[in-house]
Amino acid sequence: KNEVEQSPQNLTAQEGEFITINCSYSVGISALHWLQQHPGGGIVSLFMLSSGKKKHGRLIATINIQEKHSSLHITASHPRDSAVYICAPWSGSQGNLIFGKGTKLSVKP
Amino acid sequence: GAGVSQSPRYKVAKRGQDVALRCDPISGHVSLFWYQQALGQGPEFLTYFQNEAQLDKSGLPSDRFFAERPEGSVSTLKIQRTQQEDSAVYLCASSPGLAGEKADTQYFGPGTRLTVL
Repeated sequence: KNEVEQSPQNLTAQEGEFITINCSYSVGISALHWLQQHPGGGIVSLFMLSSGKKKHGRLIATINIQEKHSSLHITASHPRDSAVYICAPWSGSQGNLIFGKGTKLSVKP
Repeated sequence: GAGVSQSPRYKVAKRGQDVALRCDPISGHVSLFWYQQALGQGPEFLTYFQNEAQLDKSGLPSDRFFAERPEGSVSTLKIQRTQQEDSAVYLCASSPGLAGEKADTQYFGPGTRLTVL
């Protein structure tokens, strides 16, 4: 399908580094979720945004609806940030999320 | 309050067996979603309920898959005559509002890992 593309697929960083994960999508949407999935499967919703930028602690998410692109940034990364980060646009018309394959982040101490 | 719970957390089935996976959404949540996540992949949509009504089942991969939410709360995903390709994590999520009207935060359960031998 490739409706949602995330990059990079895998990312290894040193503790303290600034992390950027990118998401591009081809479908028309009105909102987008960033999700965090830890080993074992639990998924947590980090952000839902439809425009501009949102910040929560060390996490920042931005979206440009016209360019169909969103980014997730992690400042001062920490090993506990190690997880899979999934971009999930919300299609609106269908009501369900469309998921990217995820970016596996590993932060080394 | 309690989050979304799913049971069992792990299920091993022999090929051809029927399985039933349960989801208890957050109390009062109107919308309930089932997703299938294959190993190394992102989740994929299976079906969506608004209260007891199944409004979208376009993601169900075959007629062996059946979901219900008879009283608008607990939902069960049933897979008949399981095949090896059904092995995946099955995720349930709920949200308070009506999906399709506005974007809403979805709260995910821990998932059920199904392994079909």
